[in-house]
Amino acid sequence: AQTVTQSQPEMSVQEAETVTLSCTYDTSESDYYLFWYKQPPSRQMILVIRQEAYKQQNATENRFSVNFQKAAKSFSLKISDSQLGDAAMYFCAYRFTSGTYKYIFGTGTRLKVLA
Amino acid sequence: EAQVTQNPRYLITVTGKKLTVTCSQNMNHEYMSWYRQDPGLGLRQIYYSMNVEVTDKGDVPEGYKVSRKEKRNFPLILESPSPNQTSLYFCASSLVISGRAPQFFGPGTRLTVL
Repeated sequence: AQTVTQSQPEMSVQEAETVTLSCTYDTSESDYYLFWYKQPPSRQMILVIRQEAYKQQNATENRFSVNFQKAAKSFSLKISDSQLGDAAMYFCAYRFTSGTYKYIFGTGTRLKVLA
Repeated sequence: EAQVTQNPRYLITVTGKKLTVTCSQNMNHEYMSWYRQDPGLGLRQIYYSMNVEVTDKGDVPEGYKVSRKEKRNFPLILESPSPNQTSLYFCASSLVISGRAPQFFGPGTRLTVL
């Protein structure tokens, strides 16, 4: 069965610094999708970035980028120039390929940004 | 405004009293899903629907029912709630089955079962 593991329950970063959140997953599939979601104190779930497994190029969205290592089944999120508004819970998620809408989420990493 | 709405936002109930949490989206999305969020466990998928009258189980479907009679609505039904169903519930929807389409989440429903 597919699993998603976030081994860092909590991380801290100084404002303007860079932080990397880890995510590993286990699957026997060759094609799938990976996501990072942000949940601020408002509880709203916000998509940060997504990656298709068939793409070798790492996805980037402004200050957010991923390091996707398919063979190692690793999908880490790098936040550059951290801002106070980045403080939130971050969830890594795995989505099965077309034909189903099933998602598996990790347990989350709480990110604190220090002024 | 494109959005997913859930009602109620907060609910306190007692064991065994049937309840329904409604979810509605105005984006003409085919795909809708329910999750529960518990501390230390992240989000877990309860049920999802790929279209009208098509539903399937997620990882934690026990104790829940869903229906998809209309494209815009996907209610979550707890026939006989128990305290272990106390949780934060999210509804989500997506336009297409492609993984590129993002899920839009509702604001969440905080349910307490006494």
